Amino acid sequence: QSVLTQPPSVSGAPGQRVTISCTGSSSNIGAGYDVHWYRQLPGRAPQLLIYTYSIRPSGVPDRISASKSGPSASLAIAGLQAEDEADYYCQSYDANLRGWIFGGGTTLTVL
Amino acid sequence: EVQLVESGGGLVQPGGSLRLSCAASGFTFSAYALIWARQAPGKGLEWLSGISGIGDSAYYGGSVKGRFTISRDNSKDTLYLHMNSLRAEDTAVYFCARGIAAALVSTDWFDLWGQGTLVTVSS
Repeated sequence: QSVLTQPPSVSGAPGQRVTISCTGSSSNIGAGYDVHWYRQLPGRAPQLLIYTYSIRPSGVPDRISASKSGPSASLAIAGLQAEDEADYYCQSYDANLRGWIFGGGTTLTVL
Repeated sequence: EVQLVESGGGLVQPGGSLRLSCAASGFTFSAYALIWARQAPGKGLEWLSGISGIGDSAYYGGSVKGRFTISRDNSKDTLYLHMNSLRAEDTAVYFCARGIAAALVSTDWFDLWGQGTLVTVSS
């Protein structure tokens, strides 16, 4: 079981907006450690999507955004497209485990 | 081309050993910390180990500490993961990934990933 909790799946119709939550605790996100997000297409390597809570690397469209509130973070994808179908993972650091941690992943389905 | 390429995966019996490699190209290898992560079939990502750019600091997750050893050869632009006492639950695709600076710190993210190499532990 992952230290960071994500919903197993979310879905939305093309053009809609979906959000993916990432819930941590006082030893990771709640302690102020940064949250980063990755996208993984089936059979492919993870790709960095968002770093340091809400910064997009070059090439990531601005319809993808992220935020943090307390011990949780969330990723939002607006204007859903078929190409957004993928698994999404949040990542942070845990002071108790003294290591980097990932969420369990969320599968996004575009209906 | 900036890339990481893993190799060395395969089928190994429980209790056996394996060494994974991660060859880098297109960037100054020693300027970046690197990590190993894995993904069991149908499961999420798990961070395993990390090493600083010059190799003077190494970190391990609880599930592999004492069994796995991370190392790097900056003259060969290659990262390694030495895996001992392998168990069935170590079956996974193993990825290497690049940190954002030479030191590995708590705020780091990982901006470049290899395609992974499959390790299967089975008799």
